[in-house]
Amino acid sequence: DSGVTQTPKHLITATGQRVTLRCSPRSGDLSVYWYQQSLDQGLQFLIQYYNGEERAKGNILERFSAQQFPDLHSELNLSSLELGDSALYFCASSPRTSLGDEQFFGPGTRLTVL
Amino acid sequence: AQKVTQAQTEISVVEKEDVTLDCVYETRDTTYYLFWYKQPPSGELVFLIRRNSFDEQNEISGRYSWNFQKSTSSFNFTITASQVVDSAVYFCALRNILYNFNKFYFGSGTKLNVKP
Repeated sequence: DSGVTQTPKHLITATGQRVTLRCSPRSGDLSVYWYQQSLDQGLQFLIQYYNGEERAKGNILERFSAQQFPDLHSELNLSSLELGDSALYFCASSPRTSLGDEQFFGPGTRLTVL
Repeated sequence: AQKVTQAQTEISVVEKEDVTLDCVYETRDTTYYLFWYKQPPSGELVFLIRRNSFDEQNEISGRYSWNFQKSTSSFNFTITASQVVDSAVYFCALRNILYNFNKFYFGSGTKLNVKP
């Protein structure tokens, strides 16, 4: 158990809908990262937050947004969902924002868009 | 361009064999980090190691060892005396400090099957 929690574990929704994925980092970790893993795109880095501020942006679509709250939990919002958004979404946390920080991953949220 | 290539899609070995997973990267940056992650069948990603671009010393951790060679832009991972529990998908990743600041670039992964 990494100490990172993600909810929900599974999510099934329809195209065009909007969903919110939630992540609670390990106690004391200030950085949160979001990743998407799909069969066709592989593992992709989406975005990083550090202590409430956006720190780095990867291949995150404009339909997607994220934020980190004062209590350090983070939410990833996915809107106007498409079939291709079906994937496993991972959250990870690390103590700081250093490039080489070890990251601790949550169990993931499996999103299925029908 | 920043890119990570794991040419081996899938490898099968018999328990106790040694196995090397290859990782080749491309970057314009001189300062970067390389990572290896493990994804067992349970699905959760596990961090294994990080190496910064200024440290070419090889590292050994138990049955795991890593060979970083800047001259060939490679960061290979060797498992000695493999065990069934090593069966997983292994990802190599690159993180730059300058170009495309702070983004992670992942390889496509190598699936390792260790048979008893």
